[in-house]
Amino acid sequence: QVQLVESGGGLVKPGGSLRLSCAASGFRFSDYYMSWIRQAPGRGLEWVSYISGSGGTIYYADSVKGRFTISRDNPKNSLYLQMNSLRAEDTAVYYCARGGGAVDVWGKGTTVTVSS
Amino acid sequence: DIQMTQSPSSLSASVGDRVTITCRASQGIGNDLGWYQQKPGKAPKRLIYAASSLQSGVPSRFSGSGSGTEFTLTISSLQPEDFATYYCLQHNGYVRTFGQGTKVEI
Repeated sequence: QVQLVESGGGLVKPGGSLRLSCAASGFRFSDYYMSWIRQAPGRGLEWVSYISGSGGTIYYADSVKGRFTISRDNPKNSLYLQMNSLRAEDTAVYYCARGGGAVDVWGKGTTVTVSS
Repeated sequence: DIQMTQSPSSLSASVGDRVTITCRASQGIGNDLGWYQQKPGKAPKRLIYAASSLQSGVPSRFSGSGSGTEFTLTISSLQPEDFATYYCLQHNGYVRTFGQGTKVEI
């Protein structure tokens, strides 16, 4: 069955870096856009970034542009999010999701906490 | 960027009630809209895609309608397992935008 499993979350100090990973299985990974979506504690959902199947099309929300980098490794069926210059407001659960717009499958999420 | 205004932000309802949630887009988005259900501590689950198509496996009491700028999610007869937060998501153009969410409570 289709499955997405995130990893790499944790506690990091402001200004620090973290790399999230998402392992995909059960579908032809390279055929799909993939996305990162986050949810701050007690808040709504916010789209962070998406990437096309080939990696040639990428979008970032203004809130993370210049600090976060999305990438993928299709032979490894993996999606990544490199997060640099982290701020307190980046604290959230980060979800990996299949699709670049009409998202249909979500992972369980990984928690990122930015605090000194 | 396209803004999505979702209403109400919360509502109280009883089992068996008909519930309607609305999302309005700041400009036309065709039918590039989905509806998602999220329960506490869980990932969102898609209910509706392309504004009115029911996701496989989702009960038929859920339905979506609308196009352009106004969209509606309707639960025809609320069940105990439907108490959750609901979000709309537009994906027209490059930017994707969620509505603010509607918490459905007893």
